Amino acid sequence: EDQVTQSPEALRLQEGESSSLNCSYTVSGLRGLFWYRQDPGKGPEFLFTLYSAGEEKEKERLKATLTKKESFLHITAPKPEDSATYLCAVLIPTGANSKLTFGKGITLSVRP
Amino acid sequence: KAGVTQTPRYLIKTRGQQVTLSCSPISGHRSVSWYQQTPGQGLQFLFEYFSETQRNKGNFPGRFSGRQFSNSRSEMNVSTLELGDSALYLCASSLAGRARPEAFFGQGTRLTVV
Repeated sequence: EDQVTQSPEALRLQEGESSSLNCSYTVSGLRGLFWYRQDPGKGPEFLFTLYSAGEEKEKERLKATLTKKESFLHITAPKPEDSATYLCAVLIPTGANSKLTFGKGITLSVRP
Repeated sequence: KAGVTQTPRYLIKTRGQQVTLSCSPISGHRSVSWYQQTPGQGLQFLFEYFSETQRNKGNFPGRFSGRQFSNSRSEMNVSTLELGDSALYLCASSLAGRARPEAFFGQGTRLTVV
């Protein structure tokens, strides 16, 4: 069965303390891995798409990387405004179409 | 440019009732997907519609149904509500012919079943 696991469930950092969020997957026929940010009371906001092992994407203090079994979202020198839930999802084929399977998310809190 | 609009934002229903949620996609977007989000299960895919046709369906019972209109607006219906249906229901719209992860999400409808 296709699965996406994110760890840790929650992470508390001091402002400026860099860290990484993990997303591991067991999927047949991966068509891409995606990271989202979700603020309380809002829908997810798309961050990155990764398609092949070794690929990296960066945006401000965030950098996403992909291997054959997992992805990391590295946060460099985080600020309180980076506090949110970070979701990863994998796109898997379903017959002629495809669908997103999400992990349960990592709640990040950054203290000033 | 208006984003994805979901109505209502909050809803309280009693067990056994039915409910209809609405999603208006971004203008020009023809693909709409629905998701259920709960603390225990996270975000789970319900269905995807494109040009009024259901293209994909998740593993939910038949009590969950949806449809899409010619103007791309979509509705989802849940009949015979159960306590476990309490969740945030999200819809996402995208331009492409198949649901894309870069889809834009609405703010969701928070459904509470009592």
